[in-house]
Amino acid sequence: QTVVTQEPSLTVSPGGTVTLTCASSTGAVTSGYYPNWFQQKPGQAPRALIHNTNNKHSWTPARFSGSLLGGKAALTLSRVQPEDEAEYYCLLYYGGAQLLFGGGTKLTVL
Amino acid sequence: QITLKESGPTLVKPTQTLTLTCTFSGFSLSTSGVGVGWIRQPPGKALEWLALIYWDDDKHYSPSLKSRLTITKDTSKNQVVLTMTNMDPVDTATYYCAHKDPAVDFDYWGQGALVTVSS
Repeated sequence: QTVVTQEPSLTVSPGGTVTLTCASSTGAVTSGYYPNWFQQKPGQAPRALIHNTNNKHSWTPARFSGSLLGGKAALTLSRVQPEDEAEYYCLLYYGGAQLLFGGGTKLTVL
Repeated sequence: QITLKESGPTLVKPTQTLTLTCTFSGFSLSTSGVGVGWIRQPPGKALEWLALIYWDDDKHYSPSLKSRLTITKDTSKNQVVLTMTNMDPVDTATYYCAHKDPAVDFDYWGQGALVTVSS
């Protein structure tokens, strides 16, 4: 059974930079997995941030960026703001027919 | 402006079949490349993809739930329906539908519908 793994939790200081990663149990994550990233705040629906590895949606703040890093998909937040405190989920495509979400990363801004 | 809204029962009994409807506006499910997906989230847990239907009626299901799921579309009504058979308390979750754009992937999501499975 394929598993997508994210850091369970991370803490960052306001104004700092943090990188969240997304790994696949099948091996290195490539652009062919079309990584997506979503932000979810308590009581709200997920909000799309990044699609196809590193493409921002029109509403995605410039301080969010997506990439591939060391065989994983990565989401980097620069100049972190208090409102960035949230749960972040990655989504990977397997063969175009199966989608898997990661377990989520709870980001604390402290 | 794209909007989606999930509707259906808030409470179902174990072994019953759940039917959820996603009613959307701002796009057509007859447009090439467009899709609508269903995702769920048990309380306090992670998102789980369930099913996806495309404009051409191509359908995909989570392998672990495939035997219990059916996704259909009614293009004229701008609706996508998900049915899940043999409901169990572990299926208690908020169920979301989301728009899938051929260029930018999942972009717009519904507000979600909480479904509780209990006798």
